[in-house]
Amino acid sequence: GQQVMQIPQYQHVQEGEDFTTYCNSSTTLSNIQWYKQRPGGHPVFLIQLVKSGEVKKQKRLTFQFGEAKKNSSLHITATQTTDVGTYFCAGQLRAGGTSYGKLTFGQGTILTVHP
Amino acid sequence: NAGVMQNPRHLVRRRGQEARLRCSPMKGHSHVYWYRQLPEEGLKFMVYLQKENIIDESGMPKERFSAEFPKEGPSILRIQQVVRGDSAAYFCASSAPGPSSYEQYFGPGTRLTVT
Repeated sequence: GQQVMQIPQYQHVQEGEDFTTYCNSSTTLSNIQWYKQRPGGHPVFLIQLVKSGEVKKQKRLTFQFGEAKKNSSLHITATQTTDVGTYFCAGQLRAGGTSYGKLTFGQGTILTVHP
Repeated sequence: NAGVMQNPRHLVRRRGQEARLRCSPMKGHSHVYWYRQLPEEGLKFMVYLQKENIIDESGMPKERFSAEFPKEGPSILRIQQVVRGDSAAYFCASSAPGPSSYEQYFGPGTRLTVT
């Protein structure tokens, strides 16, 4: 079945340092999504990437989708303490017709930021 | 516009009891997904439902677990004869039909503890 691997599992950084998490799918994806989950919270949608080679930016966050639509990365520039949380990638295939199916989540990267 | 609602937020059950988890999707959303998250792990897909139909139940354990999304009322995830290994956070997500159905909105989750 479809698998999504994410590394690293943990990342500890000093405030102001950069952070990157990587995601790799065993199959070609229709799209990949990124979520952030705070401790005790629920996943919150950050962004979706659809096109091969797509790059999107949200302030200090840069998201990339690989040319083969099998890998992705999230890069945070100059981390802040508010960036603390677990970042998940989630791959999606079309379920059929115009509907989308389940999300296959990576294991997540737990980011801690030391002030 | 209320988000995805789940209740209860916390549920404690003794081994052998039944657990019923409820999910009300966002207004206008007819697709519901259930995911399970074990401590410090990623989310695992369980089941995808549309009104009165199970679309994909490939992630559901074969025994004790069932899900429904009736024409009226919330989606229900039912776990019979709970065991300690069922302790987890159960998240429901919903999406709209049509071209935007890729984006899933997550509820706050139900934290199930089996004693």
